[in-house]
Amino acid sequence: AQRVTQPEKLLSVFKGAPVELKCNYSYSGSPELFWYVQYSRQRLQLLLRHISRESIKGFTADLNKGETSFHLKKPFAQEEDSAMYYCALSGGGGRRALTFGSGTRLQVQP
Amino acid sequence: EAEVAQSPRYKITEKSQAVAFWCDPISGHATLYWYRQILGQGPELLVQFQDESVVDDSQLPKDRFSAERLKGVDSTLKIQPAELGDSAMYLCASSLALSAGNEQFFGPGTRLTVL
Repeated sequence: AQRVTQPEKLLSVFKGAPVELKCNYSYSGSPELFWYVQYSRQRLQLLLRHISRESIKGFTADLNKGETSFHLKKPFAQEEDSAMYYCALSGGGGRRALTFGSGTRLQVQP
Repeated sequence: EAEVAQSPRYKITEKSQAVAFWCDPISGHATLYWYRQILGQGPELLVQFQDESVVDDSQLPKDRFSAERLKGVDSTLKIQPAELGDSAMYLCASSLALSAGNEQFFGPGTRLTVL
């Protein structure tokens, strides 16, 4: 069975501080990993995916297969980064549905 | 910009009543998903369609839930009868195809409250 674990429900940092949102996964195969974000009163949207290896809004995430982790990082948090962040996993074959973690709320204080 | 549409946005119903939710995916998106999100948790898949065919409904409580996508475009999710534990946000998402890395686009959701 596939599972995604986000150990922190809430992460509070000050503006300009580094941010790391943790994500660990369990999957017997080669998963695709994603980070989705939900800003206040907006719909869930894709932030980044591991296969793209891109940086979006200053965020990066590296897939570590040895540690089965996909932590989200940003060197300098901004107030507009405050949101709910979900790590998600997609299996292979015809089942591309996402398995989500329980989410971490990031609060960036001024 | 094209978006996934859902209606209604909010639904309050009494236990044992029937409810239905509607989703209109982004035009041209062959894959459609229904997720349920209980407060404090991440979304969980209920059913996945590829065009009009069900790909995965293993987590759909089939004794009370049904879903259809008759013409491979919009979709309806029905609950009959509703139970207290069905109170949740119901999210619809669509993607262009069943291929690696394909982004899923989410609708605003329908918040269901069962009294």
